[in-house]
Amino acid sequence: GAVVSQHPSWVICKSGTSVKIECRSLDFQATTMFWYRQFPKQSLMLMATSNEGSKATYEQGVEKDKFLINHASLTLSTLTVTSAHPEDSSFYICSAREAAFYTEAFFGQGTRLTVV
Amino acid sequence: DAKTTQPPSMDCAEGRAANLPCNHSTISGNEYVYWYRQIHSQGPQYIIHGLKNNETNEMASLIITEDRKSSTLILPHATLRDTAVYYCIVMGGSQGNLIFGKGTKLSVKP
Repeated sequence: GAVVSQHPSWVICKSGTSVKIECRSLDFQATTMFWYRQFPKQSLMLMATSNEGSKATYEQGVEKDKFLINHASLTLSTLTVTSAHPEDSSFYICSAREAAFYTEAFFGQGTRLTVV
Repeated sequence: DAKTTQPPSMDCAEGRAANLPCNHSTISGNEYVYWYRQIHSQGPQYIIHGLKNNETNEMASLIITEDRKSSTLILPHATLRDTAVYYCIVMGGSQGNLIFGKGTKLSVKP
């Protein structure tokens, strides 16, 4: 399967600061990327979907001004958590899909964000 | 909301086949059945997907009933490393979003 790399694997930041998480497709061009968050002992919750060069589509209840998503190229998407607060502490996971060759999506290894 | 129903947990003996069921009674004609698994604190791993025919790859087999309302993921010889949460997801091909339900926590025991 295709490889998706997410960076960093974990990050600790102070309350009020912003954190950027990168998601890269290493061996394919990701026409669509997805961002999820996962709280302990819960399933993955889709936050937003982005297509290369277009604005992201956010799921209901997800604040677009707080979770900034950029999908500027076919191999890179970024999620920026702005003015982070302790309740934003979670496991953030990206996923990427290349529609022409794969119908399945491939996932990064996830980023553990802790806001103190 | 997820379109699938899975048992919350299952146990399997090491070396035996693990059969994980999934109900998707509202599946529509152009929707595929996907299976992913998530080992603790990692991103989900793609396993297999199918439309209506049974599928097999190096990891698993996918059996879809003729009416497509349910399916079974088969891990032919489960190992301890197969302990994970397994998610069955219904999605409309390359245009849909992967919406995760609660999955089945599979515990493979020695």
